[in-house]
Amino acid sequence: EAGVTQSPTHLIKTRGQQATLRCSPISGHTSVYWYQQALGLGLQFLLWYDEGEERNRGNFPPRFSGRQFPNYSSELNVNALELEDSALYLCASSWGTSGTTDTQYFGPGTRLTVL
Amino acid sequence: AQTVTQSQPEMSVQEAETVTLSCTYDTSESDYYLFWYKQPPSRQMILVIRQEAYKQQNATENRFSVNFQKAAKSFSLKISDSQLGDAAMYFCALSGGYQKVTFGIGTKLQVIP
Repeated sequence: EAGVTQSPTHLIKTRGQQATLRCSPISGHTSVYWYQQALGLGLQFLLWYDEGEERNRGNFPPRFSGRQFPNYSSELNVNALELEDSALYLCASSWGTSGTTDTQYFGPGTRLTVL
Repeated sequence: AQTVTQSQPEMSVQEAETVTLSCTYDTSESDYYLFWYKQPPSRQMILVIRQEAYKQQNATENRFSVNFQKAAKSFSLKISDSQLGDAAMYFCALSGGYQKVTFGIGTKLQVIP
């Protein structure tokens, strides 16, 4: 069974540009989570989607947004990029039956570098 | 608000020995779950072990076990018979209220041959 996939692996942008990151969950999973992993800060919760709806978001500005498609894949958009947005962005998926208490399965991440 | 604290940025253990990674947390929820995730150098995060707060019995998974002290809000991970493949970043995580998962900043474990 295929795991969580993310694309692209690496993304280099300049300040002010927009970045789009993509995630495909494990087949059958309806929940998708996005995290930002910056050096020394652990994982910071960004967004949670389930059944196409945004269920919760972390303490990030509105320029971080996303959506979940009918096939449960998801996209994270970061507008007006700032240097501090440089980080590894991890996507995770779960069955969605018990909210965020479900075990999450992580993808390999997208490394975003903002110059 | 929920918080997770991992006070050991780095730990090392000799191969075949036992090591314990510490985690403390805080939450106002009465029903919550605790997790330990492992992130090897290849980056893909995987679940090591999971504990439901309402269960008094400590969770175990082969060489991995936890010491869950609910009153003290402590959730430590014990790795027995450490192997080279155990070298990784270990993250403690808390999910309460079914709405959000909070991760600690991680502990880097080095296994010495």
